[in-house]
Amino acid sequence: GAVVSQHPSWVICKSGTSVKIECRSLDFQATTMFWYRQFPKQSLMLMATSNEGSKATYEQGVEKDKFLINHASLTLSTLTVTSAHPEDSSFYICSATGPTNEKLFFGSGTQLSVL
Amino acid sequence: GENVEQHPSTLSVQEGDSAVIKCTYSDSASNYFPWYKQELGKRPQLIIDIRSNVGEKKDQRIAVTLNKTAKHFSLHITETQPEDSAVYFCAALNQAGTALIFGKGTTLSVSS
Repeated sequence: GAVVSQHPSWVICKSGTSVKIECRSLDFQATTMFWYRQFPKQSLMLMATSNEGSKATYEQGVEKDKFLINHASLTLSTLTVTSAHPEDSSFYICSATGPTNEKLFFGSGTQLSVL
Repeated sequence: GENVEQHPSTLSVQEGDSAVIKCTYSDSASNYFPWYKQELGKRPQLIIDIRSNVGEKKDQRIAVTLNKTAKHFSLHITETQPEDSAVYFCAALNQAGTALIFGKGTTLSVSS
C-alpha cells in the first residue's frame, strides 16, 4: 500500500511553545490529507482536512488559529500546534488518500506531551 | 453529518472462537466502509473494506457484511488468534466523499 511518513514520533515540550508535525506521502501524490487526534483508548477524531494549495477545512470545535495546517505541496502537510498547553497533549495522526482517492493510509503518529 | 456507532466497546474471546463487531451509520449516501486494526502505539492498518454495491466480502479469516437498508455493517473474525488482539475501528465515508468518520473502536482481547 501507499506509504505515509510522519515526524516526529514523540515530542515533549514546555507549555507555551509551538510544535510542528510533518506528514509526507512517500510514493504518491496526496491531494488531500487529514489530521486526526486520538486520546488514550479513544477513537480517531477528525480535526481538519487539508487540500494542497488551499486553506484547510476544520471540524467544528477545532481552533484553526491553534492548529495551523499548511499543505504547500502534493506530498507534504504540516500541523503546527501553537502555544501548546497540557490539554493539547495527545496522539496526533495524519492520513492521506492513496492513488485511488479512497483508501486512507495513516502516518505513524506523533505523541505530543506538553509539560 | 455522518455519525458512526460501534459496538461492543470491548470484546473478549477464547482462541479459536469467532468475534463479531457491529457498526451503524446515519448517512444513507455513504458508500464506502473500511475497517482498521490498531495495535498499541501503532498506526491504524486497513484490514478490509466494502462498497455499498456489495453485501459481503471475505478475506481469509476476516469478513465484512453490509446491510444498506438497515444502515449497518459488521466485521467477522473466525478462528481468532492472540495476534488478533487489538483495537478495531469501523468507518464510513461521509456524504461529500471527503473524509472517513470513525466509530469509537472495539478493544478485542483473544486469550489462549
